[in-house]
Amino acid sequence: GQNIDQPTEMTATEGAIVQINCTYQTSGFNGLFWYQQHAGEAPTFLSYNVLDGLEEKGRFSSFLSRSKGYSYLLLKELQMKDSASYLCAPMDSNYQLIWGAGTKLIIKP
Amino acid sequence: GAVVSQHPSRVICKSGTSVKIECRSLDFQATTMFWYRQFPKQSLMLMATSNEGSKATYEQGVEKDKFLINHASLTLSTLTVTSAHPEDSSFYICSALEGTDTQYFGPGTRLTVL
Repeated sequence: GQNIDQPTEMTATEGAIVQINCTYQTSGFNGLFWYQQHAGEAPTFLSYNVLDGLEEKGRFSSFLSRSKGYSYLLLKELQMKDSASYLCAPMDSNYQLIWGAGTKLIIKP
Repeated sequence: GAVVSQHPSRVICKSGTSVKIECRSLDFQATTMFWYRQFPKQSLMLMATSNEGSKATYEQGVEKDKFLINHASLTLSTLTVTSAHPEDSSFYICSALEGTDTQYFGPGTRLTVL
């Protein structure tokens, strides 16, 4: 079957760094997306990894290891506005995104 | 978690016809539902936000007269692709908002226009 595993909730302090891990199992693999979702809003695209390694984009970085079925999202210099849910979504062989429940990140002052 | 269904899961139609896709929240009421479109190898793209009892809010570049959205009840939103053309072939995904911050996605509908 297809499965996504992320922590349900994480708490971090403003200005700090947090890493959100994701492990996945899919039927085939065509890359992995990370989405950010603020309460009451639609998800917004953060990153896409298709090759192993680290992709850096401003304060956000995403890492992928295909052999391990593992990815993480790294958020630096945390801001209060980063409080949101973060969705790890791998794409299977049919190019369909497989969605998990996401990780709710709470930022405290 | 909460369950959202979509129907049909796959549809093939001729160019010029209209196709209706249903999105249902099965075990909760959803004031807000979202419609997304996903082209191969691309990220999910939000098309519109559907609010029960009011007009949908469309994203920039999405034709409201072509993609008709109706959210007549707290458990059902429909997306009608009118006068479909091959370039409308895509994967359409809805999601339903439970409460204020938890969004549950449907399994998607793959539309192929010949």
